Amino acid sequence: QAVVTQEPSLTVSPGGTVTLTCASSGAPVTSGYYPNWFQLKPGQAPRALIYSTYNKHSWTPARFSGSLLGGKAALTLSGVQPEDEAEYYCLLFYGSAQLVFGGGTKLTVL
Amino acid sequence: QVTLKESGPALVKPTQTLTLTCTFSGFSLSTSEMRVSWFRRPPGKALEWLARIDWDDDTFYSTSLKTRLTISKDTSKNQVVLSMTNMGPVDTATYYCARGSSWYSVDYWGQGTLVTVSS
Repeated sequence: QAVVTQEPSLTVSPGGTVTLTCASSGAPVTSGYYPNWFQLKPGQAPRALIYSTYNKHSWTPARFSGSLLGGKAALTLSGVQPEDEAEYYCLLFYGSAQLVFGGGTKLTVL
Repeated sequence: QVTLKESGPALVKPTQTLTLTCTFSGFSLSTSEMRVSWFRRPPGKALEWLARIDWDDDTFYSTSLKTRLTISKDTSKNQVVLSMTNMGPVDTATYYCARGSSWYSVDYWGQGTLVTVSS
């Protein structure tokens, strides 16, 4: 099974910009992996942010954006807010409908 | 309004079979392109996808767990059921169900249910 890798932790100042990345073992991430991004906060249901690389759900704040960057999927937060402190997971779709998550990035807003 | 809610035992003994039910509203699993997946998150670990069932009854399982999992749906009750056999302590986790409205997206999630495996 493929291994999906994310930064374990990142720190950003309020109002700043941060990019989280998502890499797949053995091959660059392309749009064909349909990267999804999710936000997890303690005690809350996971919240979907991005699907199919860069598409936002109706509830996704404008400061979140998805892209492909250097062979990886990327989630960029611009104008970070204190409430963005959370864990973020990417999800890649592999052939024959195998869905694989990255290990998650713990984002600290400090 | 789309909602999903997981239900099932909070505690199971080793070797037992876990059965979880996802009861949803706001959509029908008989509608084209609708899907429901199960996921889990062990304490302190990452999310893991377990299984998916599609509107057309296609089912898909995690390669690493496929021999232990069965997913099914009852469209009339708006429910999806996941069974996992031979439970062990490593299966202790919060289990989530979530909707997919296309092949490549997961959008609405349930709150999750914590399952502890212990004798």
